[in-house]
Amino acid sequence: DTAVSQTPKYLVTQMGNDKSIKCEQNLGHDTMYWYKQDSKKFLKIMFSYNNKELIINETVPNRFSPKSPDKAHLNLHINSLELGDSAVYFCASGKTSGVGTQYFGPGTRLLVL
Amino acid sequence: GQNIDQPTEMTATEGAIVQINCTYQTSGFNGLFWYQQHAGEAPTFLSYNVLDGLEEKGRFSSFLSRSKGYSYLLLKELQMKDSASYLCAVPYSGAGSYQLTFGKGTKLSVIP
Repeated sequence: DTAVSQTPKYLVTQMGNDKSIKCEQNLGHDTMYWYKQDSKKFLKIMFSYNNKELIINETVPNRFSPKSPDKAHLNLHINSLELGDSAVYFCASGKTSGVGTQYFGPGTRLLVL
Repeated sequence: GQNIDQPTEMTATEGAIVQINCTYQTSGFNGLFWYQQHAGEAPTFLSYNVLDGLEEKGRFSSFLSRSKGYSYLLLKELQMKDSASYLCAVPYSGAGSYQLTFGKGTKLSVIP
């Protein structure tokens, strides 16, 4: 059974478009995350979402917005895509209480043309 | 804030032993993670150290020295499938949950 899943796996789009990436976890975790991994493979936190509380990395442009319909889902919506948004986006989930392992989804490879 | 430093690349021979180092500075220590990431795949959990010393898990071991802000991942009996990036990460607390700050990763190439 897939623990953390993301769709789509690949996303190719034009500059200026709006797109969404979906993420679902079946681990019963309370906290979900979005990470961006750039071309140099640097993995950087974008958001964490815990019981309706959102923590935003201050470097993330406000064109990016996470949306959580329920505890098992955290989608990422991106407005007005730019060339620099091209990267791999990973969703992850973890337990809220204490320090715990985070489990990553397979990633979404976004290419903005 | 958090700062993590690890070598960018390493090469080792199949069957050998390799040690991947990680140094960190963090305000408030909550342990240290190692993740493995094969090319084109998601990071997967390898180890978590919160106390000083060596923790062994099969061919992989992880060491922590809190006083020195230092950790290493030791891979024994290297196999070709161990070619991957190895990411050191430290958690920090933010409003009820922990976020991970990752190092830039060490790309390990295992050669025959």
